[in-house]
Amino acid sequence: EAQVTQNPRYLITVTGKKLTVTCSQNMNHEYMSWYRQDPGLGLRQIYYSMNVEVTDKGDVPEGYKVSRKEKRNFPLILESPSPNQTSLYFCASSPEREAAYEQYFGPGTRLTVT
Amino acid sequence: RKEVEQDPGPFNVPEGATVAFNCTYSNSASQSFFWYRQDCRKEPKLLMSVYSSGNEDGRFTAQLNRASQYISLLIRDSKLSDSATYLCVVNWFSGGYNKLIFGAGTRLAVHP
Repeated sequence: EAQVTQNPRYLITVTGKKLTVTCSQNMNHEYMSWYRQDPGLGLRQIYYSMNVEVTDKGDVPEGYKVSRKEKRNFPLILESPSPNQTSLYFCASSPEREAAYEQYFGPGTRLTVT
Repeated sequence: RKEVEQDPGPFNVPEGATVAFNCTYSNSASQSFFWYRQDCRKEPKLLMSVYSSGNEDGRFTAQLNRASQYISLLIRDSKLSDSATYLCVVNWFSGGYNKLIFGAGTRLAVHP
């Protein structure tokens, strides 16, 4: 089944404890992206990648890192999480190299930082 | 002004009703437009793209008005299963590349 998977789905952690949220897609998509979704706000892009070893900042990159060593994986790293990073996170992929086309989303990761 | 604005709702309608959502966008150079559907606590999924001439998919009709920079979604004969949040999405060319800008969504609740 073609899909985007994320792990973990739910995470409660404490301020400053490094964490990684994994994202993997099995559709051979070139474009991958991370978003966060907060109440009253639209999805906001954190980072994106147009190909292996090519990543760039989105609109809200502060406090996050990413890597794209393989085409299928695009982990999101929070080196020192803070409470304002409590949010719902979505990974997405697209068959096109840019994001002007349909994106396929993972099931989401609900992160709480205390 | 927000880049993509939607009425947050909620729109509470009975089954069988017709309901319309509007969305305005600020970048007149935007070229691609979409409606996504998001069920509670789930991921967004593409409902339909919006074409310049307007397009229909079953009970759903999308319209684009470039002059006024707004997009609409019309749902006819509402079903209970239509209850969800509908996200208006517009492409944005910035920094040499295209990206999608998501509205905050309009919540629809269809009741028996």
